[in-house]
Amino acid sequence: DIQMTQFPPSLSASIGDRVIITCRASEHIRGYLNWYQHTPGKAPKLLISGASHLQSGVPSRFGGSGSATVYTLTISGLQPEDFGTYYCQQGFSFPLMFGQGTRLDI
Amino acid sequence: EVRLVESGGGLVRPGGSLRLSCTASGFPFSGYVMNWVRQSPGKGLEWVSSISTRSSDIYYTDSVKGRFTVSRDNANEIAYLQMDSLRVEDTAMYYCARYAPGSVKRFDYWGQGILVTVSS
Repeated sequence: DIQMTQFPPSLSASIGDRVIITCRASEHIRGYLNWYQHTPGKAPKLLISGASHLQSGVPSRFGGSGSATVYTLTISGLQPEDFGTYYCQQGFSFPLMFGQGTRLDI
Repeated sequence: EVRLVESGGGLVRPGGSLRLSCTASGFPFSGYVMNWVRQSPGKGLEWVSSISTRSSDIYYTDSVKGRFTVSRDNANEIAYLQMDSLRVEDTAMYYCARYAPGSVKRFDYWGQGILVTVSS
C-alpha cells in the first residue's frame, strides 16, 4: 500500500502570508495527487487534481506542484476563508490514501 | 447541479448493522465511480470503499473487508454501503463522493455526510 505523509500537521499564519504544505508518498505516484480543503460542517472541497491542475472556481492563490514522491500545496496571500484542514490524496492505486491532514489556523 | 445526498445513518450498538444510501442527481450517475470516505471524531479523512460504474470492480480498506458491502443501482442512481458487524471504531461521518473513470481519482463532488455512531 502507498503511504502518504503530510507535514506540517498544523500551522498558524496571518492574512496575506504564503504557506506551503508538503505531501510525501512512499512510492512514485506519477502525479496522481489531489488536494482538498475541509472546513467544519462542510463537505471536503477539491482544490487541485493531478498535482497541479487548479479546479474551476478555486482562487488562483492556490497552487500545486511536485512529481514522483513529493508534492506541495502553496497558498499565496492567505485569506480568512482559507482556514481549515488540508489533505492530500493519492489516486495512483488502491487502497486510496489520504495524508494525515494539515490544520491551518489564520 | 450535481447533488449527492447521504441517508441511513444513526445510532447502532456494536455488532449491529446499518445501510447507508447515497442518492445522486444532476449528472450521469452510471458514468462515475462511486466512493465512501469517512472521518472519525478527531481524525482525518479515510477512504472506505469504491465501486466501478458497472459494479465489476470493488475495493475496500482493510479494516472493513468482510464487514462492509458496497453496491449501486444505476437505474435509480443510488449507491449503498451495507455495514455489518459494526464496531465502536466505525463511528464516523460518512461521505459519498464520485470520480470519473480514467481520471486521477479525484473526488470532485461530495455529499454533506451522514453520521454513524456505534455505541452501547
